[in-house]
Amino acid sequence: EAQVTQNPRYLITVTGKKLTVTCSQNMNHEYMSWYRQDPGLGLRQIYYSMNVEVTDKGDVPEGYKVSRKEKRNFPLILESPSPNQTSLYFCASSPLVTSGEGEQFFGPGTRLTVL
Amino acid sequence: RKEVEQDPGPFNVPEGATVAFNCTYSNSASQSFFWYRQDCRKEPKLLMSVYSSGNEDGRFTAQLNRASQYISLLIRDSKLSDSATYLCVVTYTNDYKLSFGAGTTVTVRA
Repeated sequence: EAQVTQNPRYLITVTGKKLTVTCSQNMNHEYMSWYRQDPGLGLRQIYYSMNVEVTDKGDVPEGYKVSRKEKRNFPLILESPSPNQTSLYFCASSPLVTSGEGEQFFGPGTRLTVL
Repeated sequence: RKEVEQDPGPFNVPEGATVAFNCTYSNSASQSFFWYRQDCRKEPKLLMSVYSSGNEDGRFTAQLNRASQYISLLIRDSKLSDSATYLCVVTYTNDYKLSFGAGTTVTVRA
């Protein structure tokens, strides 16, 4: 089954404790992206990647890191989480047609709480 | 000012009614437009792309007005299952970023 998986689905952590949220897709998509969703603000793009070893900042990259060592995986790293990073996070992938025209396939989301 | 703005609603309509709402965008370099549907904090899913000439998919009609910089979504003969949040998405020429609106909530009541 074609899908995007994220782990963990739920995480409660404390300020400053490094964490990684994994994202994996099995559709051989070039484009992958991370979003956070907050009430009233909608989805905001954190980072995106056009292919292996090619990443770029979205609208809200501060406090986050990503890597794309393999085509299928795109982990999101919070080196020192803070309470303002409490949010619902979505990973997405799509074929890279042109300028993001491909349909975005989203993972199920990770609900993160930073105390 | 946000790049993509939507009326948050909620639009509360009876079954069988027609409901329509818009999404405005501020960047004239906007290239492609989409409507996604999101159910109760689940993952968004593509509803339809929006083409320059307007397009229809069953009960759903999407239109683009480049001069006034907005897109619209119209839902005819609303069903209870249409209750969801509808997200407007914009992509840009020569840029791989995507911008999402905050969403318009539609509630269809029996």
